[in-house]
Amino acid sequence: SSELTQDPAVSVALGQTVRITCQGDTLRSYYANWYQQKPGQAPILVIYGRTKRPSGIPDRFSGSGSGNTASLTITGAQAEDEADYYCNSRDTSGDHLVFGGGTKLTVL
Amino acid sequence: QVQLQESGPGLVKPSQTLSLTCSVSGGSISSGTHSWSWIRQHPGKGLEWIGYIYYGGTTYYNPSLRSRVIISGDTSKNQFFLKLSSVTAADTAVYYCARENTIGWYYFDYWGQGTLVTVSS
Repeated sequence: SSELTQDPAVSVALGQTVRITCQGDTLRSYYANWYQQKPGQAPILVIYGRTKRPSGIPDRFSGSGSGNTASLTITGAQAEDEADYYCNSRDTSGDHLVFGGGTKLTVL
Repeated sequence: QVQLQESGPGLVKPSQTLSLTCSVSGGSISSGTHSWSWIRQHPGKGLEWIGYIYYGGTTYYNPSLRSRVIISGDTSKNQFFLKLSSVTAADTAVYYCARENTIGWYYFDYWGQGTLVTVSS
């Protein structure tokens, strides 16, 4: 399968740690990337290549994973982290791209 | 700094062809290190990859849209284009263009701001 599966919604208390997961067979072949999207804005890259953080992204964001699962962890979640998070990768063919369905993160 | 900007009609009639342009600055669409994608987002929904164009004009499309999509580019203007034919209300969405890094790891590093296209008579 070339699909990526995410939990639709996750919540976290302010300052606590939250993990958002993404599952799919293609993750055995291609690393996951993670994007943050706030209402009315374009997505921004927060993790690429499963574990790498672009410049300008706070170090409370980290990525991990193995096998068919990738995870985005926010350590010490802030109010401004409330957003939708999407994983993506190439599909098993390598020629197409896929996105997970997205996870809505609520910071309580 | 790479910038992408979508442009095109915000309203398209059913059965017609949706046409959008992505103008790129700060990077070349003829680069062999990136692909150039169109992605859409239905209201309140997730991201859907439509297709991309790559160095030399190679294109790949989402199988679910392949029969209606054409992506092309104009290297002289550093623009790439989306044409989606036979549109219906189900094609109403925010359309984004984005650059994908293809060296080392595959990821979208730059996005346009998005443009809302409504299909309605």
